[in-house]
Amino acid sequence: NAGVMQNPRHLVRRRGQEARLRCSPMKGHSHVYWYRQLPEEGLKFMVYLQKENIIDESGMPKERFSAEFPKEGPSILRIQQVVRGDSAAYFCASSLSNSPLHFGNGTRLTVT
Amino acid sequence: AQSVTQLDSHVSVSEGTPVLLRCNYSSSYSPSLFWYVQHPNKGLQLLLKYTSAATLVKGINGFEAEFKKSETSFHLTKPSAHMSDAAEYFCVVSDFRDDKIIFGKGTRLHILP
Repeated sequence: NAGVMQNPRHLVRRRGQEARLRCSPMKGHSHVYWYRQLPEEGLKFMVYLQKENIIDESGMPKERFSAEFPKEGPSILRIQQVVRGDSAAYFCASSLSNSPLHFGNGTRLTVT
Repeated sequence: AQSVTQLDSHVSVSEGTPVLLRCNYSSSYSPSLFWYVQHPNKGLQLLLKYTSAATLVKGINGFEAEFKKSETSFHLTKPSAHMSDAAEYFCVVSDFRDDKIIFGKGTRLHILP
């Protein structure tokens, strides 16, 4: 049973471009969480999704950021018109209902 | 190589009694260490973090942890448990140089009335 798969591992974008980060949860997991980690800080919650629904997006910036978890396929975190401040490591986690999280290895976004 | 070991998968304490959740780590350099809490169907919440400042770290909700380099431990404590503390707790080592995060397997804290 493969773990949580995130790709790409590293992503470089110029300012103003779009970044798309993918997360394939563990098989059978219907809950997906996205986190951002900035240097010297801990993980910051961004959004919590279940299949086709956003449950909690209280940690996500109101502009430029969006997330989806379609019925088929991976969860996508999309950042439009990236700025230097978006440079960070983005982690995805998945779980069953009321069970511990399993984390992916993260995507390192660098905005140049 | 880094690793994190949470020594107990389940801990049960009575309400009003002390809490101790144990965490040992291994790291070839000075690590950044964190404790997170996850309530059912919620995202992770940061309780506290150690990043090479004071070895006794105070966090939210009355929790604290002490970094002991000689014992390679970072145990989480609270003087008096509350029913709302029932949750899953994760000890984490982070390497900000290459964005590595190593999670412990988690400890489920049960609070008995």
